[in-house]
Amino acid sequence: GAGVSQSPRYKVAKRGQDVALRCDPISGHVSLFWYQQALGQGPEFLTYFQNEAQLDKSGLPSDRFFAERPEGSVSTLKIQRTQQEDSAVYLCASSLSQGENYGYTFGSGTRLTVV
Amino acid sequence: SQQGEEDPQALSIQEGENATMNCSYKTSINNLQWYRQNSGRGLVHLILIRSNEREKHSGRLRVTLDTSKKSSSLLITASRAADTASYFCATGMNSGYSTLTFGKGTMLLVSP
Repeated sequence: GAGVSQSPRYKVAKRGQDVALRCDPISGHVSLFWYQQALGQGPEFLTYFQNEAQLDKSGLPSDRFFAERPEGSVSTLKIQRTQQEDSAVYLCASSLSQGENYGYTFGSGTRLTVV
Repeated sequence: SQQGEEDPQALSIQEGENATMNCSYKTSINNLQWYRQNSGRGLVHLILIRSNEREKHSGRLRVTLDTSKKSSSLLITASRAADTASYFCATGMNSGYSTLTFGKGTMLLVSP
Protein backbone atom coordinates (compact mmCIF):
# COMPACT_ATOMS: atom_id res chain seq x y z
CA GLY A 1 0.00 0.00 0.00
CA ALA A 2 0.87 3.66 -0.12
CA GLY A 3 1.57 3.95 3.58
CA VAL A 4 1.73 2.09 6.86
CA SER A 5 -1.73 1.00 7.89
CA GLN A 6 -2.73 0.29 11.48
CA SER A 7 -5.93 -1.17 12.83
CA PRO A 8 -8.04 -0.65 14.75
CA ARG A 9 -7.75 3.12 14.90
CA TYR A 10 -9.24 3.17 18.40
CA LYS A 11 -9.62 0.39 20.92
CA VAL A 12 -11.32 0.49 24.30
CA ALA A 13 -10.55 -2.52 26.48
CA LYS A 14 -11.71 -3.47 29.92
CA ARG A 15 -8.92 -4.05 32.39
CA GLY A 16 -7.81 -7.66 32.14
CA GLN A 17 -8.89 -8.08 28.52
CA ASP A 18 -6.45 -9.19 25.81
CA VAL A 19 -5.99 -6.97 22.75
CA ALA A 20 -4.32 -7.39 19.36
CA LEU A 21 -3.11 -4.46 17.31
CA ARG A 22 -2.31 -4.87 13.64
CA CYS A 23 0.27 -3.18 11.45
CA ASP A 24 0.48 -3.41 7.65
CA PRO A 25 3.85 -1.95 6.63
CA ILE A 26 4.73 -0.62 3.21
CA SER A 27 5.23 -3.53 0.83
CA GLY A 28 8.88 -4.53 0.63
CA HIS A 29 9.94 -2.71 3.77
CA VAL A 30 12.42 -4.85 5.65
CA SER A 31 12.40 -3.10 9.02
CA LEU A 32 9.36 -2.77 11.25
CA PHE A 33 9.22 -1.02 14.61
CA TRP A 34 6.59 -0.69 17.33
CA TYR A 35 6.53 2.38 19.55
CA GLN A 36 4.34 3.39 22.49
CA GLN A 37 3.39 7.04 22.93
CA ALA A 38 1.86 8.21 26.17
CA LEU A 39 -0.12 11.45 26.23
CA GLY A 40 2.15 14.48 25.94
CA GLN A 41 5.28 12.37 25.49
CA GLY A 42 7.47 11.31 22.63
CA PRO A 43 7.25 7.77 21.28
CA GLU A 44 9.17 5.11 23.16
CA PHE A 45 10.63 2.05 21.46
CA LEU A 46 9.02 -1.32 22.07
CA THR A 47 10.39 -3.81 19.55
CA TYR A 48 12.08 -4.21 16.16
CA PHE A 49 11.73 -6.74 13.35
CA GLN A 50 13.98 -7.30 10.38
CA ASN A 51 11.80 -9.30 8.02
CA GLU A 52 10.30 -12.03 10.22
CA ALA A 53 13.07 -11.98 12.82
CA GLN A 54 12.46 -10.08 16.04
CA LEU A 55 15.93 -8.67 16.64
CA ASP A 56 15.20 -6.43 19.58
CA LYS A 57 12.41 -6.61 22.13
CA SER A 58 14.20 -4.74 24.86
CA GLY A 59 11.51 -2.03 25.03
CA LEU A 60 8.59 -4.31 25.78
CA PRO A 61 7.50 -3.21 29.26
CA SER A 62 6.45 -6.62 30.56
CA ASP A 63 5.88 -10.21 29.53
CA ARG A 64 2.25 -9.28 28.89
CA PHE A 65 3.44 -7.67 25.65
CA PHE A 66 4.14 -9.90 22.67
CA ALA A 67 4.79 -9.06 19.02
CA GLU A 68 5.10 -11.18 15.92
CA ARG A 69 5.68 -10.80 12.20
CA PRO A 70 5.49 -14.40 10.98
CA GLU A 71 5.81 -13.84 7.23
CA GLY A 72 7.91 -10.73 7.30
CA SER A 73 5.10 -8.38 6.36
CA VAL A 74 2.07 -7.83 8.64
CA SER A 75 2.86 -7.54 12.33
CA THR A 76 0.67 -7.93 15.38
CA LEU A 77 1.29 -6.48 18.82
CA LYS A 78 -0.59 -8.39 21.49
CA ILE A 79 -1.16 -7.19 25.03
CA GLN A 80 -2.47 -9.70 27.51
CA ARG A 81 -4.42 -8.84 30.66
CA THR A 82 -4.42 -5.12 29.86
CA GLN A 83 -3.81 -2.64 32.67
CA GLN A 84 -4.70 1.04 32.86
CA GLU A 85 -1.05 2.01 32.42
CA ASP A 86 -1.15 0.36 28.99
CA SER A 87 -3.38 3.20 27.76
CA ALA A 88 -1.41 4.95 25.02
CA VAL A 89 -1.09 5.34 21.29
CA TYR A 90 0.75 2.42 19.71
CA LEU A 91 2.66 3.41 16.60
CA CYS A 92 4.09 1.14 13.95
CA ALA A 93 6.85 2.27 11.61
CA SER A 94 8.56 0.63 8.68
CA SER A 95 11.64 1.32 6.64
CA LEU A 96 13.04 0.08 3.36
CA SER A 97 16.34 -0.82 4.91
CA GLN A 98 17.49 -0.15 8.42
CA GLY A 99 16.29 3.41 8.46
CA GLU A 100 19.61 5.12 8.69
CA ASN A 101 19.34 6.57 5.21
CA TYR A 102 15.66 7.09 4.70
CA GLY A 103 14.01 7.63 8.03
CA TYR A 104 10.91 5.71 8.98
CA THR A 105 7.33 5.83 7.75
CA PHE A 106 4.86 5.79 10.60
CA GLY A 107 1.27 4.66 10.66
CA SER A 108 -1.46 6.77 12.25
CA GLY A 109 -1.39 4.59 15.33
CA THR A 110 -3.90 2.72 17.47
CA ARG A 111 -5.19 4.64 20.48
CA LEU A 112 -5.73 2.11 23.27
CA THR A 113 -7.80 3.09 26.27
CA VAL A 114 -8.04 0.63 29.15
CA VAL A 115 -10.99 1.22 31.46
CA SER B 1 13.94 6.62 28.59
CA GLN B 2 14.16 9.62 26.28
CA GLN B 3 17.51 10.91 25.16
CA GLY B 4 16.50 13.99 23.22
CA GLU B 5 15.02 17.06 24.75
CA GLU B 6 13.36 19.73 22.64
CA ASP B 7 13.27 23.38 23.53
CA PRO B 8 10.97 25.21 23.80
CA GLN B 9 8.15 22.90 24.87
CA ALA B 10 5.68 25.19 23.13
CA LEU B 11 6.03 27.96 20.58
CA SER B 12 3.37 30.34 19.29
CA ILE B 13 4.03 32.56 16.26
CA GLN B 14 2.24 34.39 13.46
CA GLU B 15 2.08 33.21 9.88
CA GLY B 16 5.10 34.37 7.90
CA GLU B 17 7.43 34.34 10.89
CA ASN B 18 10.27 31.87 11.30
CA ALA B 19 10.13 29.13 13.92
CA THR B 20 13.23 27.71 15.56
CA MET B 21 13.21 24.58 17.68
CA ASN B 22 16.20 23.10 19.44
CA CYS B 23 17.08 19.58 20.45
CA SER B 24 19.76 18.39 22.83
CA TYR B 25 20.85 14.80 23.30
CA LYS B 26 23.16 12.92 25.59
CA THR B 27 25.14 10.21 23.82
CA SER B 28 27.03 9.85 20.55
CA ILE B 29 24.82 9.42 17.53
CA ASN B 30 24.99 8.21 13.95
CA ASN B 31 22.15 10.41 12.73
CA LEU B 32 19.46 12.76 13.95
CA GLN B 33 16.00 12.99 12.45
CA TRP B 34 13.13 15.43 12.79
CA TYR B 35 9.51 14.37 12.64
CA ARG B 36 6.21 16.24 12.64
CA GLN B 37 3.04 14.97 14.30
CA ASN B 38 -0.34 16.50 13.73
CA SER B 39 -2.86 16.04 16.52
CA GLY B 40 -4.09 12.46 16.66
CA ARG B 41 -1.99 11.35 13.74
CA GLY B 42 1.22 9.43 13.14
CA LEU B 43 4.65 10.97 12.72
CA VAL B 44 5.87 12.28 9.39
CA HIS B 45 9.57 12.15 8.62
CA LEU B 46 10.90 15.61 7.73
CA ILE B 47 14.65 15.42 7.46
CA LEU B 48 17.64 13.28 8.44
CA ILE B 49 21.09 14.64 9.14
CA ARG B 50 24.10 12.41 9.66
CA SER B 51 26.69 12.92 12.36
CA ASN B 52 29.30 14.05 9.80
CA GLU B 53 27.00 16.73 8.39
CA ARG B 54 26.58 20.20 9.86
CA GLU B 55 23.63 21.61 7.96
CA LYS B 56 20.89 20.37 5.71
CA HIS B 57 18.05 22.01 3.83
CA SER B 58 14.73 20.74 2.57
CA GLY B 59 12.29 23.29 1.20
CA ARG B 60 11.47 25.71 4.03
CA LEU B 61 13.30 23.55 6.56
CA ARG B 62 16.87 24.03 7.69
CA VAL B 63 18.50 21.68 10.17
CA THR B 64 21.84 22.17 11.86
CA LEU B 65 23.80 19.69 13.91
CA ASP B 66 26.57 20.44 16.38
CA THR B 67 27.97 17.16 17.63
CA SER B 68 30.43 18.90 19.97
CA LYS B 69 27.49 20.45 21.82
CA LYS B 70 25.22 17.46 21.21
CA SER B 71 22.54 19.71 19.85
CA SER B 72 20.48 20.30 16.74
CA SER B 73 18.09 22.98 15.59
CA LEU B 74 15.18 22.96 13.18
CA LEU B 75 14.28 26.21 11.45
CA ILE B 76 11.01 26.57 9.60
CA THR B 77 11.01 29.71 7.47
CA ALA B 78 7.92 31.68 6.41
CA SER B 79 5.67 29.54 8.59
CA ARG B 80 2.09 28.71 7.62
CA ALA B 81 -0.95 27.78 9.67
CA ALA B 82 -0.58 24.26 8.25
CA ASP B 83 2.77 23.97 10.05
CA THR B 84 0.90 23.81 13.35
CA ALA B 85 1.93 20.47 14.86
CA SER B 86 4.28 18.86 17.37
CA TYR B 87 7.87 18.47 16.26
CA PHE B 88 10.14 15.73 17.57
CA CYS B 89 13.82 15.10 17.21
CA ALA B 90 14.97 11.50 17.23
CA THR B 91 18.47 10.13 17.42
CA GLY B 92 19.81 6.99 15.82
CA MET B 93 22.83 5.46 17.48
CA ASN B 94 24.22 3.05 14.95
CA SER B 95 25.05 3.00 11.29
CA GLY B 96 23.05 -0.15 10.76
CA TYR B 97 19.88 -1.16 12.50
CA SER B 98 19.04 1.49 14.99
CA THR B 99 16.02 2.22 17.06
CA LEU B 100 15.13 5.87 17.28
CA THR B 101 15.09 7.63 20.63
CA PHE B 102 12.64 10.51 20.67
CA GLY B 103 12.42 13.66 22.73
CA LYS B 104 9.19 15.00 24.22
CA GLY B 105 8.58 17.38 21.35
CA THR B 106 7.91 21.06 20.71
CA MET B 107 4.30 22.05 20.13
CA LEU B 108 4.20 24.75 17.43
CA LEU B 109 1.13 26.93 16.92
CA VAL B 110 1.08 29.16 13.86
CA SER B 111 -1.74 31.70 13.89
CA PRO B 112 -3.13 33.17 10.66
